[in-house]
Amino acid sequence: EVQLLESGGGLVQPGGSLRLSCAASGFTFSSYAMSWVRQAPGKGLEWVSGISTSGSSTYYADSVKGRFTISRDNSKNTLYLQMNSLRADDTAIYYCAKRQKGATTPPDYWGQGTLVTASS
Amino acid sequence: QSALTQPASVSGSPGQSITISCTGTSSDVGGYNYVSWYQQYPGKAPKLMIYEVSNRPSGVPDRFSGSKSGNTASLTISGLQAEDEADYHCSSYISGSSLVFGTGTKVTVL
Repeated sequence: EVQLLESGGGLVQPGGSLRLSCAASGFTFSSYAMSWVRQAPGKGLEWVSGISTSGSSTYYADSVKGRFTISRDNSKNTLYLQMNSLRADDTAIYYCAKRQKGATTPPDYWGQGTLVTASS
Repeated sequence: QSALTQPASVSGSPGQSITISCTGTSSDVGGYNYVSWYQQYPGKAPKLMIYEVSNRPSGVPDRFSGSKSGNTASLTISGLQAEDEADYHCSSYISGSSLVFGTGTKVTVL
């Protein structure tokens, strides 16, 4: 059974940093592209970042480019999102999502999410 | 990249059919056959219902179907059931590994 478990969310002041982690199990982690998707309270989904199977290719939404960094450790079956210079509009539930296979395929499994609140 | 446009809400009676639209541009929906649809219950993670415009993952009822014409994709739910009441989100591949999602539609079963 595919399982994705996010952690690392919390309350942070604007301008601060957080590092999200996503522990994966139930599938061969190193064979699948991965993504982070967020959802602000009461709003729709927003794709944040994606990473290739090896980690050599990374992709970002314009809204987070230069502030967020996605990475993965295939030896630990873990996906990360380093978030710097957080702003109030980054407040959202952050979901880790496994892509169906490669870069063009959609997320097919999602974690339960971790809440990030950027507020003073 | 702007969000794809969906109606805020759609409603129907049990047994009826409803259709949710998802309008983009030639750079997203119209440019690729990589449109997906997700169902999301309050407080829960999204669930993939349709991929590559019209394909259903294993376990998704065949009451759910997808199609596309030009820059607009559609999700149709036939034989609407109470359990179908949820939020629905469309998405499209755009480039690299990037995706764009729709604004989301709340489906109400009357």
